[in-house]
Amino acid sequence: GAGVSQSPSNKVTEKGKDVELRCDPISGHTALYWYRQSLGQGLEFLIYFQGNSAPDKSGLPSDRFSAERTGGSVSTLTIQRTQQEDSAVYLCASSLLNEQFFGPGTRLTVL
Amino acid sequence: KQEVTQIPAALSVPEGENLVLNCSFTDSAIYNLQWFRQDPGKGLTSLLLIQSSQREQTSGRLNASLDKSSGRSTLYIAASQPGDSATYLCAGTTDSWGKLQFGAGTQVVVTP
Repeated sequence: GAGVSQSPSNKVTEKGKDVELRCDPISGHTALYWYRQSLGQGLEFLIYFQGNSAPDKSGLPSDRFSAERTGGSVSTLTIQRTQQEDSAVYLCASSLLNEQFFGPGTRLTVL
Repeated sequence: KQEVTQIPAALSVPEGENLVLNCSFTDSAIYNLQWFRQDPGKGLTSLLLIQSSQREQTSGRLNASLDKSSGRSTLYIAASQPGDSATYLCAGTTDSWGKLQFGAGTQVVVTP
């Protein structure tokens, strides 16, 4: 079956611009996670959604980052007023029971 | 906060040798432990999940064990092949739905 998909695969933007990254989880998976992978920080958790519960936003690095999940399916991660330190690969994962499955990621480059 | 450490950071072996990758964590209250593989420029591929009540999992040439009391997990890859060259990451959660806390990974090169 289809795995987790993310778009775009690559995004180049200028400092100060807003960007939106999209994640389509595996159909039927109730949990959705965003992570960030950067050279200096490794893989770090950003935010997670579980069903209709309030999201766990404890990993978001600043208030420039936000995410929403519509209809319990597709999720969008928004970064406002991008900074060069936001350059990283943003990975989305989904889960039904314990095991997390990852998408291919979006590589964000902020010039 | 859970800290996850992977040793060694890099490993190079000739084809056919067995691989042993280590992962240690600071909080013994780990719930699930998941091993992943990452190829350059790609996302993460789940290899094995060890759930809270389990001590090991096996899939083909791969075997992973989990010892919560010592805070360690080990991934064994038998009879390595060049196609096993990748970065291997371990990650743990502290509850069934929790966020994964990742180690920095072990970069493996298997030479023909």
